[in-house]
This record gives sequence, C-alpha cells and structure tokens, in this order.
Amino acid sequence: KQEVTQIPAALSVPEGENLVLNCSFTDSAIYNLQWFRQDPGKGLTSLLLIQSSQREQTSGRLNASLDKSSGRSTLYIAASQPGDSATYLCAVPDSGGGADGLTFGKGTHLIIQP
Amino acid sequence: DTAVSQTPKYLVTQMGNDKSIKCEQNLGHDTMYWYKQDSKKFLKIMFSYNNKELIINETVPNRFSPKSPDKAHLNLHINSLELGDSAVYFCASSQVLRGGSPLHFGNGTRLTVT
Repeated sequence: KQEVTQIPAALSVPEGENLVLNCSFTDSAIYNLQWFRQDPGKGLTSLLLIQSSQREQTSGRLNASLDKSSGRSTLYIAASQPGDSATYLCAVPDSGGGADGLTFGKGTHLIIQP
Repeated sequence: DTAVSQTPKYLVTQMGNDKSIKCEQNLGHDTMYWYKQDSKKFLKIMFSYNNKELIINETVPNRFSPKSPDKAHLNLHINSLELGDSAVYFCASSQVLRGGSPLHFGNGTRLTVT
C-alpha cells in the first residue's frame, strides 16, 4: 500500500529565503504527483501536477521535481514571502491514475517570517 | 464562480443525529470524491464516484452513504453520528484522464459532534 512521507513536518524561515520541501513515496509505480497548498480553514489548492514522464514543473516561484525511481519529489520555493505561509501537501494516485483517489502526506507546515 | 462548493461550512450536531453535506462542482468533471481530514490534519479518501457510479469505498462505516444524483453533485449523508465523526470533510472533483488530472477541492465542512 502506498505511503507518502513529508519532511520536515514544520519549517519557519525569514522572508526572502529559498527553501525546499521534501516528499517521498513507497510505490514508485505512479502516474503523477501533485503538490497542494492548504490555508487555515480553507480547502486545498492544487499548485503543481507532475506527470510520471516529467522530471519537473514550474509555476512562478514554485518548482517541483520528481524522481520516480527513488520515490522522491521536492517543492522548491524561491524568494519566499509571508503569503507563502501555509501547509503544503504532496499526494500520489492510489493506483492507475484514474478515479482511485489520492494518498496524501501529512504535510509541511510552513511559516515565512516577515 | 466557485468551482467546487460544499455546504454547510460548519455543522454542529449531537450524537445520534442524521446529517447531510452537499457538494456541487461546475467544472464539468467526471469524478467526485469525499475526503476526511482528522484532528491531526491527515487527509484520507472516503469515496469516489465516476459518472455517478461508486468507484472507491474505503473502510468507511456504512453509516456514511454518498449519493450522486448527477455528475455535478455528490452528497454525503451520515446516520447516527458519533463523536469520532468530528472532522473536516472535503469534497473534490477531477476530470479523469489517463495519467491523472489535478483535483479541485471545496473549502471543507467542519463537522462537530457533541
């Protein structure tokens, strides 16, 4: 059964720093990997989806990489801002990439200090 | 316009009651989901429906019954509520494509059972 682990569980850095969030998964036979952002009391916002054939995806100051063979993904945030403070979750499909839902990590709680 | 909307946002009720949470998506997606986020913020899938047909039913008590009247709606009915049902419930949708597609989440319903 797929298991997703995120390190660190919490991170606090000064504004302006570049930072990396880590995600690992036990079953490398995935179709894709998604990174989400969750703000307190809110739903989840999809940030990036990397297909299994891709090695990375970029959106603005965010860059996500995927190494299927080692079962790892990283989310790189450049020039962090206080508005980036949130919980970041990674998730992979349970199987087949179809309607089988996602397995989530427990998230990294990120605080950007002004 | 909200893509995935769920109501109510907050639901406080007593043990033993029956309650429903409604979810609607206007994205034209084929698949809808219910996720439960527990007190430790861990997200876990409960159900998924594809074109009104049940695809996933994880180990959820049969007191939980999803109902999909059409592709755009997936409601969650809970009978005989228990204290342990207190959690945040998220509805989500996706367009099922080979290789997966991003999930879009609602803002959640915080259920408190007293």
